[in-house]
Parts: sequence; C-alpha cells; structure tokens
Amino acid sequence: KQEVTQIPAALSVPEGENLVLNCSFTDSAIYNLQWFRQDPGKGLTSLLLIQSSQREQTSGRLNASLDKSSGRSTLYIAASQPGDSATYLCAVRGGNKLVFGAGTILRVKS
Amino acid sequence: DGGITQSPKYLFRKEGQNVTLSCEQNLNHDAMYWYRQDPGQGLRLIYYSQIVNDFQKGDIAEGYSVSREKKESFPLTVTSAQKNPTAFYLCASSMSDSTDTQYFGPGTRLTVL
Repeated sequence: KQEVTQIPAALSVPEGENLVLNCSFTDSAIYNLQWFRQDPGKGLTSLLLIQSSQREQTSGRLNASLDKSSGRSTLYIAASQPGDSATYLCAVRGGNKLVFGAGTILRVKS
Repeated sequence: DGGITQSPKYLFRKEGQNVTLSCEQNLNHDAMYWYRQDPGQGLRLIYYSQIVNDFQKGDIAEGYSVSREKKESFPLTVTSAQKNPTAFYLCASSMSDSTDTQYFGPGTRLTVL
C-alpha cells in the first residue's frame, strides 16, 4: 500500500529565504507526482505536476524535483514571501487514485 | 468562468440524518472524485467516477453513497451509517482517469451536532 510522508510538518521562515519541502513515498511504481497548495478552509490549487518520466518541473519561483527510484520529491521555493504562507501537499498517482501526504504548514514572516 | 463548485460551504447535520453534498463542474471532465480531509491528515479518497453512470469505492467508502447521472454532477450523500462524518469534504475532477491534473472545488465543511 502506497504511503506518502511529508517533512517537516510545519516550517516558519523569514521573508526572502529559500526553502525546501520534502515528500517521500514507499512505492516507486507511480504515474506522476503533484504538489498542491491549500489556504485555510479552501480547496487545493495545483502547483506542479511531474510525470514519472520527468526529473523536475519549474513554475516561477517554484521548482519540484522527482527521484522515483529513491521515492523522493522536493519542492523548492525561492525568495519566499508572506503570500506563500499556506499548507503544501504532495500526492502520488498510481493506478486510479491520488495518495496524499499530510502536508507541510508553511509560514513566511514579514 | 470554468471550474468546480461545491455547495453548501458549511453544513450542519443532526445525528441520524442523511445529508447530500453537491459538486458541479463545467470543465467537461470525464472523471470526478470525492475526498475527505481531517485535521493534520492528508486527503482520503471516498468515491470516484470515471464516466457517467459508473463509480468505484475509494479507501473509505463506508457510510457514503454517490451517483453520476450527468457528466457535470457528482453528488455525495453522507448517511447515518457514517460514524464520524465531521470533516472537510473536497470534490475534484480531471480530464480523464489517467495522468491528468486533478482540479479541486472549494470544499464543504460538515459538522455533526
């Protein structure tokens, strides 16, 4: 059974710092991995989708990498801003469903 | 304006009642999903549907039921058999049930009184 773990569970950084969020998964037989952002009491917004054949994806200040063989992904956020404060969730797709991690709560202090 | 809508935003239920959560999408997506989110936990899949008039159980289907009579609609009923229904419910859709991005609605918070 696929299990997804995100470390750290919470992170607080000063504005302007570069930071890395980690995601690990137990079964490397995946179709893709997706990073989402969730604001309090809201739905999820897709940030980046990495197909299993890809190593990384970039969007603006965000860069996500995927190492399928080791079961790991990282989300790199450059020059963090207070508006980046949210919960970040990773999810892996294997078969017909997404399996989610519990998320990392990020707070960027101004 | 394309997207996924969920209603109501907040829902209160008395014990023993069934309630239905609405999910509508105008993205022309084939696949739709229902997830449950509890504090400090990731999303867990309740039911999903790959096509009209067909749906499959997810990991935590007990106490829930769904229907998919129209492509754009996938309502979720929380029955009285669901022992702990208080949670945040999220609906999602994707172009097909393969490797596509899932798009999420704003969610419904259900509280049992």
